[in-house]
Amino acid sequence: AAGVIQSPRHLIKEKRETATLKCYPIPRHDTVYWYQQGPGQDPQFLISFYEKMQSDKGSIPDRFSAQQFSDYHSELNMSSLELGDSALYFCASSVTAEAFFGQGTRLTVV
Amino acid sequence: GIQVEQSPPDLILQEGANSTLRCNFSDSVNNLQWFHQNPWGQLINLFYIPSGTKQNGRLSATTVATERYSLLYISSSQTTDSGVYFCAVDRGSQGNLIFGKGTKLSVKP
Repeated sequence: AAGVIQSPRHLIKEKRETATLKCYPIPRHDTVYWYQQGPGQDPQFLISFYEKMQSDKGSIPDRFSAQQFSDYHSELNMSSLELGDSALYFCASSVTAEAFFGQGTRLTVV
Repeated sequence: GIQVEQSPPDLILQEGANSTLRCNFSDSVNNLQWFHQNPWGQLINLFYIPSGTKQNGRLSATTVATERYSLLYISSSQTTDSGVYFCAVDRGSQGNLIFGKGTKLSVKP
């Protein structure tokens, strides 16, 4: 079965650079979520989209933005990167209440 | 906001042993999911179980929504069961999950 696809899997950036993470949801899933998981932490909700419209917002920094495109894929844009942004970033998708997670993008800011 | 508490925080088992992981939540929920995060960081869906009981092989889960807790049972544990087990809940219909702190399980051969 198709799963949620995230790219890239690993990313190394320097402070103050920008990064773009991509997410391709499971086909026919209409909702996409982004989560951030710091080292040793639980995943924290950042933002979600339903039918290409932002549906909810969590603890997403103002330096981050996201959107969902007409083909339902989503991108998380991160600017002015800080060392504290180093984390595992998950995308998840759903069509009912159950969410399915991608393999994550491990971002390291140096 | 809703609080999710998992216990125990850490668990060490010998291969073949059974275990019970608990998740307490502070308010009614529309969604409850159990995940296994393996040592490579991947979050694997185990159960979607806002109420009732489900079984999948050596794993089973029970959620008693009226008493606001869920249990995950692992029988005949294997070394590949090692990792962190997360319980996550959602109060509303938007699916934004709130995770507990997890139970870190280590299964020794």
